[in-house]
Amino acid sequence: EVQLVESGGGLVQPGGSLRLSCATSGFTFIRHDMHWVRQATGKGLEWVSTIGPAGDPLYAGSVKGRFTVSRENAKNSLYLQMNSLRAGDTAVYYCARGRSALDAFDIWGQGTMVTVSP
Amino acid sequence: SYELTQPPSVSVSPGQTASITCSGDNLGDKYTCWYQQKPGQSPVLLIYQDTKRPSGIPERFSGSNSGNTATLTISGTQAMDEADYYCQAWDSSTDNYVFGSGTKVTVL
Repeated sequence: EVQLVESGGGLVQPGGSLRLSCATSGFTFIRHDMHWVRQATGKGLEWVSTIGPAGDPLYAGSVKGRFTVSRENAKNSLYLQMNSLRAGDTAVYYCARGRSALDAFDIWGQGTMVTVSP
Repeated sequence: SYELTQPPSVSVSPGQTASITCSGDNLGDKYTCWYQQKPGQSPVLLIYQDTKRPSGIPERFSGSNSGNTATLTISGTQAMDEADYYCQAWDSSTDNYVFGSGTKVTVL
């Protein structure tokens, strides 16, 4: 069974940092783009970042320069290092598997909540 | 930046057809996909590459994409189809994935 399990969310003060992890299983991790998508409470989905199998990252403009995506293929894991956090970053963060390059996100994790507040 | 526009809400009677539109500049030149999200749950992929259904997605969900508009059609809508629906496309000019604003489907 294909599974994505996020962890690392929590409460952090503005300007602080947090590292999210996404543990995957049930598929050949190295063959897929992996993505981070966030959703503020009551709002829509917002793409955050993508990393290809070779480690080439892409970022939304709202997080570029503050967030860093990485992957550890040997551990089938995806990460999101979030620095200089702002209130506007408060959201549920989902990791998702890319069906293929530049294609839909076919498997999603359950999400982890990040709250940025004093 | 590239934007995808969806109607905030669509209402449909059980057994009828619901159509959800997603508009963007020359969207027909891009692949569009659709997701369903029920309250408290993660999104589920319904349609990819404009018209294709992943394994396990009911045939009543179908997609099309032409010109500036992609459409998700739910035929024979059921109460269980009440959810939020999001379109998504890849914008090569900005190297960004873009989600639509989302449409809440209510089955009355």
